[in-house]
Amino acid sequence: AQKVTQAQTEISVVEKEDVTLDCVYETRDTTYYLFWYKQPPSGELVFLIRRNSFDEQNEISGRYSWNFQKSTSSFNFTITASQVVDSAVYFCALSEGIYGNNRLAFGKGNQVVVIP
Amino acid sequence: ETGVTQSPTHLIKTRGQQVTLRCSSQSGHNTVSWYQQALGQGPQFIFQYYREEENGRGNFPPRFSGLQFPNYSSELNVNALELDDSALYLCASSPATGLAGGLFGDTQYFGPGTRLTVL
Repeated sequence: AQKVTQAQTEISVVEKEDVTLDCVYETRDTTYYLFWYKQPPSGELVFLIRRNSFDEQNEISGRYSWNFQKSTSSFNFTITASQVVDSAVYFCALSEGIYGNNRLAFGKGNQVVVIP
Repeated sequence: ETGVTQSPTHLIKTRGQQVTLRCSSQSGHNTVSWYQQALGQGPQFIFQYYREEENGRGNFPPRFSGLQFPNYSSELNVNALELDDSALYLCASSPATGLAGGLFGDTQYFGPGTRLTVL
């Protein structure tokens, strides 16, 4: 079963529009971590944010914001006033304690295309 | 840049051959994880090395093997290459601070990847 679901495969927006990427996760652990990574065309995964299961505060970093809701097992990511440089694939990932290691389970990613 | 380096950048092999991919971790990081990313998919966990020992493995056959060296750099070896092994191989390092009493939860910093093509 998919641990992390990112339902929207490709999203196209016009520059300056907002875009929200949905991430739904599944775990039996009470302690876990969630991550978002950005993968530009160059291929390298760039870390954006880490959130632990005990911290449900939303976070804002510049034009990026994250909404974590344990009740719905979701960790959604919004890019405000999108720019062409935001065009990339965005991955949500889950790290669970049951494995005793730091493996990440990734979703399939959201391809974001920002049209100038 | 994360400070994680991988070599080579690209590699072309034929079916049945063997390949070795290399990764240098970020300074101060003692844990290295390897992931396979097929085209259009999310990365899949292959295995992780912590203090030169394998510390967890994903759903990959034994022909995928690895090593970690005393300086925490790592190698991924794949024997008897198959066409489906064509993918981007990503290495990630993390500091293993044990945020939640174990190794999990530390942020992983990824290298640029090695693109492997098997013909």
